[in-house]
Amino acid sequence: GQQLNQSPQSMFIQEGEDVSMNCTSSSIFNTWLWYKQDPGEGPVLLIALYKAGELTSNGRLTAQFGITRKDSFLNISASIPSDVGIYFCAGRPDAGGTSYGKLTFGQGTILTVHP
Amino acid sequence: DARVTQTPRHKVTEMGQEVTMRCQPILGHNTVFWYRQTMMQGLELLAYFRNRAPLDDSGMPKDRFSAEMPDATLATLKIQPSEPRDSAVYFCASGLVNDGDTYTDTQYFGPGTRLTVL
Repeated sequence: GQQLNQSPQSMFIQEGEDVSMNCTSSSIFNTWLWYKQDPGEGPVLLIALYKAGELTSNGRLTAQFGITRKDSFLNISASIPSDVGIYFCAGRPDAGGTSYGKLTFGQGTILTVHP
Repeated sequence: DARVTQTPRHKVTEMGQEVTMRCQPILGHNTVFWYRQTMMQGLELLAYFRNRAPLDDSGMPKDRFSAEMPDATLATLKIQPSEPRDSAVYFCASGLVNDGDTYTDTQYFGPGTRLTVL
């Protein structure tokens, strides 16, 4: 099946630092989504991207849909302790039919923020 | 604030026992997904339904797992008999999906059921 390569696998940063993570695929994706998972909870949607080149912000978070449609990145500015968690990228491959809504997930980036 | 709900949140059982997990999707959503999350495999899609009909259950071990939607407000995932390797967190997600409309790709997750099979 489709694979998403998410990097880095983990990050240890100081409070106040900026964070960048990305996802790449060998094939075209029509949608890119970024989720955050807190311990003991389900993933929560942070940002959704629907067009190649689209750049969207949500507070201190900014995400972009790569122009080649094969990648996406997420930036977090001025990190704070509550940013700790696992960040997942997800995308929908260009498969048409009833594949709408069916997402492929990256392996996740574990973020640790030291006060 | 509409949310996906799942019960139970935690389940500990012995090998060979039947386990049933329940999910209530967000009211009005037409697509329900079941995922399994483990440290080794990450998030795996087990099955998904559109308008209560199964669209794809290829990710689900057929010999012991079954998924159903008795009605639009309830989805169930059953394991019988359970095995220790089934220990994982099981998530349900829902979305309002229209084929051909990229803007409806978004999924909303429940809090998960943490299953431990001894």
